[in-house]
Amino acid sequence: AQSVTQLGSHVSVSEGALVLLRCNYSSSVPPYLFWYVQYPNQGLQLLLKYTSAATLVKGINGFEAEFKKSETSFHLTKPSAHMSDAAEYFCAVSDRGNYGGSQGNLIFGKGTKLSVKP
Amino acid sequence: KAGVTQTPRYLIKTRGQQVTLSCSPISGHRSVSWYQQTPGQGLQFLFEYFSETQRNKGNFPGRFSGRQFSNSRSEMNVSTLELGDSALYLCASSLRSQGPHEQYFGPGTRLTVT
Repeated sequence: AQSVTQLGSHVSVSEGALVLLRCNYSSSVPPYLFWYVQYPNQGLQLLLKYTSAATLVKGINGFEAEFKKSETSFHLTKPSAHMSDAAEYFCAVSDRGNYGGSQGNLIFGKGTKLSVKP
Repeated sequence: KAGVTQTPRYLIKTRGQQVTLSCSPISGHRSVSWYQQTPGQGLQFLFEYFSETQRNKGNFPGRFSGRQFSNSRSEMNVSTLELGDSALYLCASSLRSQGPHEQYFGPGTRLTVT
């Protein structure tokens, strides 16, 4: 079964500092990977997705992620944190099902809460 | 284009009752998925509907059910509510059922079971 592991349930950075949120996946076939952000009392908003094209994926709000097959990782980064980036971030993989075909559901990591200090 | 809407946004029910939650997908989206979000278990997939057919189901008891209408709107029903069903229920829509199609989420329905 596929799974997603997000290292660090809480990450705190200073405003202007680098943001690095870690995500590792387990998949026997090339996966589709996503990063979502959730602000308090809201649903999830898609930041970016990897679909086996370019390994460096750029998303909204200055975020980007790099797919590294050798490390089974898809870490999310942003060069300079802003106060408005404080939220919970979820890494997700598209379920491949039993036969390798992509299913419609997402398997999520446990999430990482990002705090940004002034 | 309007986003995914969910009604109601908040709901308080008593243990043993049943509840129905509604989701209207983005116009043109035919796939609707439901997820349960709790502090302990995180985000868990409930089921997915495409063209009025359940395409995929997560590991939840039969008390959780859903359906999709011809206009792609979807409802989920939970019967015989338990305290552990208290959660944020999120609905997501996408263009198609398979492939790397991103899912767009609604704001969720916060269900509290007392």
